[in-house]
Amino acid sequence: DIQMTQSPSSLSASVGDRVTITCRASQSISSYLNWYQQKPGKAPKLLIYAASSLQSGVPSRFSGSGSGTDFTLTISSLQPEDFATYYCQQSYSTLHTFGQGTKLEIK
Amino acid sequence: QVQLQESGPGLVKPSQTLSLTCTVSGGSISSGGYYWSWIRQHPGKGLEWIGYIYYSGSTYYNPSLKSRVTISVDTSKNQFSLKLSSVTAADTAVYYCARDSQDCSGGSCYSSFDYWGQGTLVTVSS
Repeated sequence: DIQMTQSPSSLSASVGDRVTITCRASQSISSYLNWYQQKPGKAPKLLIYAASSLQSGVPSRFSGSGSGTDFTLTISSLQPEDFATYYCQQSYSTLHTFGQGTKLEIK
Repeated sequence: QVQLQESGPGLVKPSQTLSLTCTVSGGSISSGGYYWSWIRQHPGKGLEWIGYIYYSGSTYYNPSLKSRVTISVDTSKNQFSLKLSSVTAADTAVYYCARDSQDCSGGSCYSSFDYWGQGTLVTVSS
């Protein structure tokens, strides 16, 4: 299995802050990396696919970068609705695997 | 707008079989081009992909669950289903169905879960 490791596991930030979340794969996955946002009691929502492509309807303050084993999700200016848990997921292998999540909390 | 909706019992006894159905609306499973997945989330934990099915019936399962999982499709009802046998308390989770979409515009095909059901909590308890 390809292991996905996110850092940090939790993060406190303020509205307007620039935030970066990191995801590392246990082997090279090229650009086969997706990012999701999940709010309590809700299903995950696709934000970024193929490492850097913004899903339709997702605000442009979200961006993704990276390839190979190291990836980042950046939120350029945090909005109140962005406080949630974020997951990365690799689709390089048919056995899709997710990171453990990063909980973004209000400071 | 594609919508997915899970249905099935919220309580299953240990050693029995968990059965869930996902009904797809706003699009046809038979149109092809998408894989249809089941994903679960243990309480307060991360996401675990269970497996997928294509409209043709071809499947792929997570090896960690493969011996207990069956995913099937009923194109006439635009539904796909999950069966998980010999359940234990460790199978208590929120179960999601999701569409696995392929973007092949750049030469390579990139897969992502672009539509999800709202999730259904299944508790395994006697």
